[in-house]
Amino acid sequence: QSALTQPASVSGSPGQSITISCTGTRSDIGAYKYVSWYRQHPGKAPQLMIYDVSQRPSGVSNRFSGSKSGNTASLTISGLQAEDEADYYCCSYASSRSYVFGHGTKVTVL
Amino acid sequence: QVRLQESGPGLVNPSGTVSLTCAVSGASIRSGSWWSWVRQPPGKGLEWIGEISHSGTTDFNPSLKSRVTISIDKSKNQLSLKMISVTAADTAVYYCATYCRGGQCYWALWDWGQGTLVTVSS
Repeated sequence: QSALTQPASVSGSPGQSITISCTGTRSDIGAYKYVSWYRQHPGKAPQLMIYDVSQRPSGVSNRFSGSKSGNTASLTISGLQAEDEADYYCCSYASSRSYVFGHGTKVTVL
Repeated sequence: QVRLQESGPGLVNPSGTVSLTCAVSGASIRSGSWWSWVRQPPGKGLEWIGEISHSGTTDFNPSLKSRVTISIDKSKNQLSLKMISVTAADTAVYYCATYCRGGQCYWALWDWGQGTLVTVSS
């Protein structure tokens, strides 16, 4: 299985909105509603931000939202803040009874 | 909230075996639960290694399946990862994580350990 495709980097100014795409195949994102997103600050463990495509865990800001269309999932961060600067990874369940992560996207707050 | 603590040897010789443990507190491996191992090579992205249920059911990344074993020890409330025939490409921070929160399990990893670095080098 191949890693999901994400842009290497995305940037935005404070207060702006950015969207990170995550492209897979009909065997992962296209087949299941089990897409999750993780935020990882340098030297820290990943933190779950979105699960089941668009669900937010309790405690995660409503500035984070997720969606999916076909083989592509997206994470949108609205009202960008300095604390949002981090690496973001998408993840999908796959038909091989496994999970596959994306390559990761570095978000920079200008 | 569950807490996960990975531990391991730190340095392993090429062609050797990596054995890691993940101590679980705040939750019981005995009850309905699923657990996972994920790794991250230095400066690179996350890679899902595999998972195990409280009953011992396992699934693995197809690219690692032939070299990986995941097990649970209910008496110690911990899970373990064993990877054989390691090379420098297996150098990474290894995380354990759980799919379950508040008695319900999902298709996402809710809580993670802080990770343990394994370096494969002679």
